[in-house]
Amino acid sequence: DTGVSQDPRHKITKRGQNVTFRCDPISEHNRLYWYRQTLGQGPEFLTYFQNEAQLEKSRLLSDRFSAERPKGSFSTLEIQRTEQGDSAMYLCASSLMLMGITLHFGNGTRLTVT
Amino acid sequence: LAKTTQPISMDSYEGQEVNITCSHNNIATNDYITWYQQFPSQGPRFIIQGYKTKVTNEVASLFIPADRKSSTLSLPRVSLSDTAVYYCLVGLNYGGSQGNLIFGKGTKLSVKP
Repeated sequence: DTGVSQDPRHKITKRGQNVTFRCDPISEHNRLYWYRQTLGQGPEFLTYFQNEAQLEKSRLLSDRFSAERPKGSFSTLEIQRTEQGDSAMYLCASSLMLMGITLHFGNGTRLTVT
Repeated sequence: LAKTTQPISMDSYEGQEVNITCSHNNIATNDYITWYQQFPSQGPRFIIQGYKTKVTNEVASLFIPADRKSSTLSLPRVSLSDTAVYYCLVGLNYGGSQGNLIFGKGTKLSVKP
């Protein structure tokens, strides 16, 4: 099954450290999304790419957050100077542009900031 | 982007049919309606999608009235494994430039034996 893959599944870090997550989308999908989800809430949009272009960023994405998708394939999400409020599940999803809201999600990276 | 409203939670028993309604009063002409299912510690999973009337697949049915201001996800004969959170999402499906796809809080369905 070549679904959306995220790495790592879990990450524990100390406040102030930098962390980076990776997402490998379904290979033919040109859109890639990052969402954040906290306990009891629905996924909150962070940013999305169409191919290698980052087309939209949420106001939730502070300047400590940066996302890249070099060559339009895998994507990375980096959080600098982590804070306890960054503790959440970070979800990646991909889709074909022509299938706009049919998203395929990975199982996320659970970040715990101590 | 059309905002959606769903019940926060629902309870059911095994073998019953469950209907979860989503309100989307400001749905746009070209918007589609999509439902996702999410289990703990997993990403949401696509269940069903529709534009109008009724859509059925092996998992669920989706009923959309003529005014499209609401939709109802119907799960026939639920089992314990259907216990999950269900999200309704509304937006452009074919092409479109929107990326900010908004999930609400979803409906937490609890199926009891």
